[in-house]
Amino acid sequence: KQEVTQIPAALSVPEGENLVLNCSFTDSAIYNLQWFRQDPGKGLTSLLLIQSSQREQTSGRLNASLDKSSGRSTLYIAASQPGDSATYLCAVIGAGNMLTFGGGTRLMVKP
Amino acid sequence: EAEVAQSPRYKITEKSQAVAFWCDPISGHATLYWYRQILGQGPELLVQFQDESVVDDSQLPKDRFSAERLKGVDSTLKIQPAELGDSAMYLCASSLKGQNTGELFFGEGSRLTVL
Repeated sequence: KQEVTQIPAALSVPEGENLVLNCSFTDSAIYNLQWFRQDPGKGLTSLLLIQSSQREQTSGRLNASLDKSSGRSTLYIAASQPGDSATYLCAVIGAGNMLTFGGGTRLMVKP
Repeated sequence: EAEVAQSPRYKITEKSQAVAFWCDPISGHATLYWYRQILGQGPELLVQFQDESVVDDSQLPKDRFSAERLKGVDSTLKIQPAELGDSAMYLCASSLKGQNTGELFFGEGSRLTVL
């Protein structure tokens, strides 16, 4: 059974810092990996989708990398802003579009 | 931009009552998912549909939960009777059929509080 772990569980940084969120998974037989953002009391917003054949994806200040063989992904946020404060979730997609989520990293960016 | 629609956004009910949630996926998305998210945790899959057929409901507590997608479009998730431990966010998501790019799109969720 696929297990996804996100470290750290919570992170507080001053505005402007570059930061890295980590995601690890136990079964490397995945089709792709997706990073989401969730604001309090809201649904999930897709940030980046990385296909299993890709190594990274970029969108604005966000860069996500994938190392399937080691079962790891990182989400890099450049020049963090208070508006980036949210919970960030990674999920791996296996056969049959089965999505398994990590527990999330709660990010607080202080002005 | 197309969105996954869910209702109600909030529901407060007493234990032992029945409750139902509705989801309308993005048009053309044949795969539909219901997830449950307990506060502070990641979402957990309850049921996955491909068109009108259930693909996976292994984590659905079938003694009290039921889900249907009769015409392969919108879906209803029902809980009867509700228990205190059912308090959570219920999230619906959809994705394109047979597309193992597998990008999922989520609705805003339905937050359930059982008193």
